[in-house]
Amino acid sequence: QVQLVQSGAEVKKPGASVKVSCKASGYTFTSYYMHWVRQAPGQGLEWMGIINPSGGSTSYAQKFQGRVTMTRDTSTSTVYMELSSLRSEDTAVYYCARRGTLAVAGYYYYYMDVWGKGTTVTVSS
Amino acid sequence: EIVLTQSPGTLSLSPGERATLSCRASQSVSSSYLAWYQQKPGQAPRLLIYGASSRATGIPDRFSGSGSGTDFTLTISRLEPEDFAVYYCQQYGSSLTFGQGTRLEIK
Repeated sequence: QVQLVQSGAEVKKPGASVKVSCKASGYTFTSYYMHWVRQAPGQGLEWMGIINPSGGSTSYAQKFQGRVTMTRDTSTSTVYMELSSLRSEDTAVYYCARRGTLAVAGYYYYYMDVWGKGTTVTVSS
Repeated sequence: EIVLTQSPGTLSLSPGERATLSCRASQSVSSSYLAWYQQKPGQAPRLLIYGASSRATGIPDRFSGSGSGTDFTLTISRLEPEDFAVYYCQQYGSSLTFGQGTRLEIK
């Protein structure tokens, strides 16, 4: 079955970097873009960016430009999200989510149809 | 950036009742790029509706979406106990944003 398996929880100090992985299985890895979304404790969902696993191209939310890097390894069907210069406000659950796409009569529909279980990142001195 | 405003913030209803959740965009959104998600505590979000009105695979028909332009609605016709959760709308235009969520709680 289609699933996204994320790496385990991380505890980091302010100023450090964290790299979260998301391993895809059950579908053709390079056929679907992958989003990263985070959720701070008790807060809503926040989009961080998207990567095309086929060519590696990325698009980042303006808020994270310069601090986030998304990469992929096609040999292991894994995408990575690295966030640098961590601060306490980056404490959150980080999710990868597959971008589902449907083309109907010339219209394209985009949505997040498969989600990982999330990776908790705690930033604390 | 398109801002999505969901209302109400919290909705208190009883099982069997009808729930109507609103999502208003700061500028027009293509219906193709409007989705709704359900999130329960400790779980990842789950896709309910895409294209403003199409149910995702496996989603019961008591869930329906409607709307266009700047006003979108998620309706749950008869609430089941498992429907009490937080609901988010999301748009994917020039960038991607979520609403702040509506918490649906048991009255």
